[in-house]
Amino acid sequence: GEQVEQRPPHLSVREGDSAFIICTYTDSATAYFYWYKQEPGAGLQLLMSVFSNVDRKEEQGLTVLLNKKDKRLSLNLTAAHPGDSAVYFCAVSYGNEKITFGAGTKLTIKP
Amino acid sequence: EAAVTQSPRSKVAVTGGKVTLSCHQTNNHDYMYWYRQDTGHGLRLIHYSYVADSTEKGDIPDGYKASRPSQENFSLILELASLSQTAVYFCASSILANTEVFFGKGTRLTVV
Repeated sequence: GEQVEQRPPHLSVREGDSAFIICTYTDSATAYFYWYKQEPGAGLQLLMSVFSNVDRKEEQGLTVLLNKKDKRLSLNLTAAHPGDSAVYFCAVSYGNEKITFGAGTKLTIKP
Repeated sequence: EAAVTQSPRSKVAVTGGKVTLSCHQTNNHDYMYWYRQDTGHGLRLIHYSYVADSTEKGDIPDGYKASRPSQENFSLILELASLSQTAVYFCASSILANTEVFFGKGTRLTVV
């Protein structure tokens, strides 16, 4: 089955700096890609979703890049602030009911 | 606003006991899911359902049953709880497969 590797597992950046998270996947079939944010004690909140025909998407300080050749999905969070501290998950779906998640990246924003 | 409500939010169960986790959604969504979250493993799909009175196995269904008595309600049942089932469980819903999935806040289950 599909495997999604996410790194790094932990990331600490200073307030105002950028944070970069990468996921690699194995199946090259057409897919939907997602980034979720999980705050302590809460469920997952969808940040952005992209279809496989999109290479780049930007929204509210977040940039998602999709490199289909290398099977790599990335999330770049610019100008980080304390409210961005959370666990971030990538996820991949292939047109069926199953979504495969990465293991998560715990992002800490230092003052 | 879309809402997925899980109950209880936390539970301690004894090994061998029966545990039922409940989920209620007011989204009018057809799809509902149960995921398990373990440190270092992300979320893994246990069971899902796309219509009332029908459930499907996910990636890790062993040791779990699911019940979808109505569009709004989806339960996860552990008939004989085991220590390895200690985890955080998330219920979620979506209009269709591959559309935005809305998650509940999770249930922390500890089996002792």
